[in-house]
Amino acid sequence: GAGVSQTPSNKVTEKGKYVELRCDPISGHTALYWYRQSLGQGPEFLIYFQGTGAADDSGLPNDRFFAVRPEGSVSTLKIQRTERGDSAVYLCASSLTFGGEQYFGPGTRLTVT
Amino acid sequence: KNQVEQSPQSLIILEGKNCTLQCNYTVSPFSNLRWYKQDTGRGPVSLTIMTFSENTKSNGRYTATLDADTKQSSLHITASQLSDSASYICVVSVVSGGSYIPTFGRGTSLIVHP
Repeated sequence: GAGVSQTPSNKVTEKGKYVELRCDPISGHTALYWYRQSLGQGPEFLIYFQGTGAADDSGLPNDRFFAVRPEGSVSTLKIQRTERGDSAVYLCASSLTFGGEQYFGPGTRLTVT
Repeated sequence: KNQVEQSPQSLIILEGKNCTLQCNYTVSPFSNLRWYKQDTGRGPVSLTIMTFSENTKSNGRYTATLDADTKQSSLHITASQLSDSASYICVVSVVSGGSYIPTFGRGTSLIVHP
């Protein structure tokens, strides 16, 4: 079946703009995770969802970052007033159950100019 | 502060050779340790997962070991292939109740030359 998909694959935006990044998890996976990966670094945990609710958002760097998963499937990561330091690859992963093996999407490369 | 340190930072080997990547961590207590392979421009793909009670896990030519006493793990790749060229990331996770706290290493960049 289809894996985790993320759109767009690349996003270039100007400093101060608002962006939305989308993640389509594997069908039936209840847990969904967002990570951020800067160049030469390992992924950094941002938030995870169990169903529709954000079960742990302790990794979100500040209140400019917000994520939703209204129907327990697709998730959107929203970044307000983007800064150049937000430039990174944003990875999404899903797992059948919380704590289970995670399947990653290809990521969205965000560049803030 | 929980940390995961990987070594070497990068490694170049010839096709057919074996290699071992290292992961040292200070995360405690931890629920599981995973090794991922990440090809350039792609998301990570899980290779192995071990709980604290397991000390070895194999997946084809990949064998991971874990010493929970010394807080060290290694990933051994046997008979390397060109397609093994990638970044290998060690992740130590604490899973407790509804809390999920993964700590990622920076990865080891492996290049396999023909």
